[in-house]
Amino acid sequence: DTAVSQTPKYLVTQMGNDKSIKCEQNLGHDTMYWYKQDSKKFLKIMFSYNNKELIINETVPNRFSPKSPDKAHLNLHINSLELGDSAVYFCASSQGGRYGYTFGSGTRLTVV
Amino acid sequence: SQQGEEDPQALSIQEGENATMNCSYKTSINNLQWYRQNSGRGLVHLILIRSNEREKHSGRLRVTLDTSKKSSSLLITASRAADTASYFCATDEIAAGNKLTFGGGTRVLVKP
Repeated sequence: DTAVSQTPKYLVTQMGNDKSIKCEQNLGHDTMYWYKQDSKKFLKIMFSYNNKELIINETVPNRFSPKSPDKAHLNLHINSLELGDSAVYFCASSQGGRYGYTFGSGTRLTVV
Repeated sequence: SQQGEEDPQALSIQEGENATMNCSYKTSINNLQWYRQNSGRGLVHLILIRSNEREKHSGRLRVTLDTSKKSSSLLITASRAADTASYFCATDEIAAGNKLTFGGGTRVLVKP
């Protein structure tokens, strides 16, 4: 049973399109996150939700909109995709501040 | 600039040797965590060390934390080819709420 699952695994799309990435966790964790990993492997947090409530919103273009219909799901919608959005996007979840995060396997987004 | 910075950026060793990598950070933390990322995969949590702990072990992993120097080290003993991966430190900063800030990672190659 996959703990944190993301779909799709790969996404190739043209500039200007709108796309969504879905994430689901079956660990019962209260907090979910989206991280972006660039081509140099640097990971940067984008958003964090705790029990469906947005708690962290880093400096991310408002073309990126997270949605959490329930605490087990955190989706990421991206409007008007740009070349610079190409990266690997990771979803993660955690329970409290005393334990590590569980990451999904990532979605490699390529904008052409 | 990054909160956590790893040193070295890359490390190449023979199977059976020990691998040591270091992480420096800038602000006060609740805990520091180490993660492994195999090529094309998500991050896997290895070990968490709290700010009041100085050393922690998990199997062949040994982590130290020096809060006075704001630094941590990860030692992998008796390395195996399967340890080939990127290793990231991540800090749970006191002032930042429940989010992890990642360093740039150390790429470790273990040659058989």
